[in-house]
Amino acid sequence: GENVEQHPSTLSVQEGDSAVIKCTYSDSASNYFPWYKQELGKRPQLIIDIRSNVGEKKDQRIAVTLNKTAKHFSLHITETQPEDSAVYFCAASSDSGYALNFGKGTSLLVTP
Amino acid sequence: SAVISQKPSRDICQRGTSLTIQCQVDSQVTMMFWYRQQPGQSLTLIATANQGSEATYESGFVIDKFPISRPNLTFSTLTVSNMSPEDSSIYLCSVEGQENYGYTFGSGTRLTVV
Repeated sequence: GENVEQHPSTLSVQEGDSAVIKCTYSDSASNYFPWYKQELGKRPQLIIDIRSNVGEKKDQRIAVTLNKTAKHFSLHITETQPEDSAVYFCAASSDSGYALNFGKGTSLLVTP
Repeated sequence: SAVISQKPSRDICQRGTSLTIQCQVDSQVTMMFWYRQQPGQSLTLIATANQGSEATYESGFVIDKFPISRPNLTFSTLTVSNMSPEDSSIYLCSVEGQENYGYTFGSGTRLTVV
C-alpha cells in the first residue's frame, strides 16, 4: 500500500520567515495530494491540494509543489504568522473513492 | 464541501464496554472513511464503509472489534467494542467532497477508556 513520509517532524520559524514541509510517497498510482492543518483539539482542515496533472498551486501565502517523477511534494508557507502554528499533515490518494494515506505530521511553531 | 455531524464529541468509558460513534453527512456520499488518531499521532485508516456492502478493514483492524454500519448514503456508525485503555484515541469520520476530491472530516470523538 501507499507509504507517505513527511519531514521535518517539528519546525520552528520566526514570524515573517518561510516554512517548508516535504513529503514523499511510494505508490506511483497516487494522483491527489492534499495538505491539512490541525489545531489543537480540532479536526483536520484542508488548506490546499494538488493533482498529478499540475506541478504547482498557490493560494495567497500557501503553495504546494509536486514532482511526480521523484514522488515528492512540498508545502510552502511564506510570511508566516503566529496563527500558522499548528500540526500540518500531507496525504496521498490514488483516485476518487479511495481513502487518504497520511504522513506523520509536522508541528510548526511560529514565534513572534 | 460536505458537512459532517459527528457524535458524541467525547466520552469516558469503562473498560470492557462498547461505544458507538455516529456520523451524519448533509449530502449523499458513496464512501465514508473511519480514522483513528492516537494522542500526538497521525491519522490511521480503520476502514472504508460503502453503503450496501461490508466495510473494508485495514491491516490491524477487525470487524469484531470495530463493527461498522452504513445503512444509507448519508449515515454511518463505528462501534468500539470491548474497550481497553489502548483504545483511548480520537476517532474521526471522513467523506470525499462532491467536487475535486476534497475530503472533509467530522469533528471527532475523543474517547477515554478507564
